[in-house]
Amino acid sequence: DAEITQSPRHKITETGRQVTLACHQTWNHNNMFWYRQDLGHGLRLIHYSYGVQDTNKGEVSDGYSVSRSNTEDLPLTLESAASSQTSVYFCASSRGGPQETQYFGPGTRLLVL
Amino acid sequence: SQKIEQNSEALNIQEGKTATLTCNYTNYSPAYLQWYRQDPGRGPVFLLLIRENEKEKRKERLKVTFDTTLKQSLFHITASQPADSATYLCALLYNQGGKLIFGQGTELSVKP
Repeated sequence: DAEITQSPRHKITETGRQVTLACHQTWNHNNMFWYRQDLGHGLRLIHYSYGVQDTNKGEVSDGYSVSRSNTEDLPLTLESAASSQTSVYFCASSRGGPQETQYFGPGTRLLVL
Repeated sequence: SQKIEQNSEALNIQEGKTATLTCNYTNYSPAYLQWYRQDPGRGPVFLLLIRENEKEKRKERLKVTFDTTLKQSLFHITASQPADSATYLCALLYNQGGKLIFGQGTELSVKP
């Protein structure tokens, strides 16, 4: 069955370190998204991509970067982790067109000490 | 900027009753409104989509309404069951950019 996976599921890191969270989908979806979810804020969009080599900034993109070299993967990099980036991170994908359903991964819980 | 408000208080209801969750938004109406379900420790799962020119949408025990005058969507679960206990998120989608804007979610607890 097609799916969307994230790794690692849990990560503890130290302030200042570079961290990369992986997202892989097997639906061959064009669109991929990264969100963070925090108490009191709900899901907020970090970066998104509408296809290979396309990346765009979302609402809370500072301190994060993404690259899209193939259809299946959209890794999220925290350039220099900060305690404010402690959160649960969700990756999602959709086939195309603005009304399409988004399919979410299981999430990565990140703790920055 | 666009704001979305969902009941911040958890909703506790008895099994068999109808649960009604509210999603209010400010400014201009979205082209589409979606509802998702999220269980603890898991990613959101899509439930229903309603377009701005639709008043109501149904799927099994679920019903969504969309009132662009009131700037509000209501999400109903009829004959609720303990298995319906979860957090429900509304999300707005505008034509420009195709990005979803999520509300904070409402936690629903259905007691047997």
